[in-house]
Amino acid sequence: NAGVTQTPKFQVLKTGQSMTLQCAQDMNHNSMYWYRQDPGMGLRLIYYSASEGTTDKGEVPNGYNVSRLNKREFSLRLESAAPSQTSVYFCASRTGGARGSPLHFGNGTRLTVT
Amino acid sequence: GNSVTQMEGPVTLSEEAFLTINCTYTATGYPSLFWYVQYPGEGLQLLLKATKADDKGSNKGFEATYRKETTSFHLEKGSVQVSDSAVYFCALSDRSVGNQFYFGTGTSLTVIP
Repeated sequence: NAGVTQTPKFQVLKTGQSMTLQCAQDMNHNSMYWYRQDPGMGLRLIYYSASEGTTDKGEVPNGYNVSRLNKREFSLRLESAAPSQTSVYFCASRTGGARGSPLHFGNGTRLTVT
Repeated sequence: GNSVTQMEGPVTLSEEAFLTINCTYTATGYPSLFWYVQYPGEGLQLLLKATKADDKGSNKGFEATYRKETTSFHLEKGSVQVSDSAVYFCALSDRSVGNQFYFGTGTSLTVIP
């Protein structure tokens, strides 16, 4: 009963390096999301994919790109990491569309950019 | 627009005390409301939800009632335990804006024995 799986769990990057955060869900959900969590700011939406083949910007998309590889997988890429991208990143999924359908979260990737 | 405001923490309570965490919202449509809980080092887990006015969501002794007249969804528990120590997030989803979620900033709860 894996749910939403994120890799890696921890990562340290130097400024300017690139990396891809991976996310996979096994619940056959249509919609997938990437959030970042910073102290005192709650969760902020970076990008989302309402269904396979579509992606849209959220509240804080600058410096990120995403790929919805298939229905299960949704990756987040940092092309040139900056210290301001130090954060905890959460992937989430939901069935989409139905009123009240909740988000299901992974356990997060803790990223530090030095 | 849509937003969620919840009481600032941190909140510290003794075991078996009564808990209330206030949450109010603004929404352009008719939202669904949620409470999530986050334990240290983990992701957010759904605690309870309500999808229409006067609905009461409940789980693990926690309750919250959807109050449309006061645009509120306060979280309550009659007797907290040490294991309830976590961060609690109030959230809404609104179909009028593509079913997006909006989260409060979270309230940290510590329960001491």
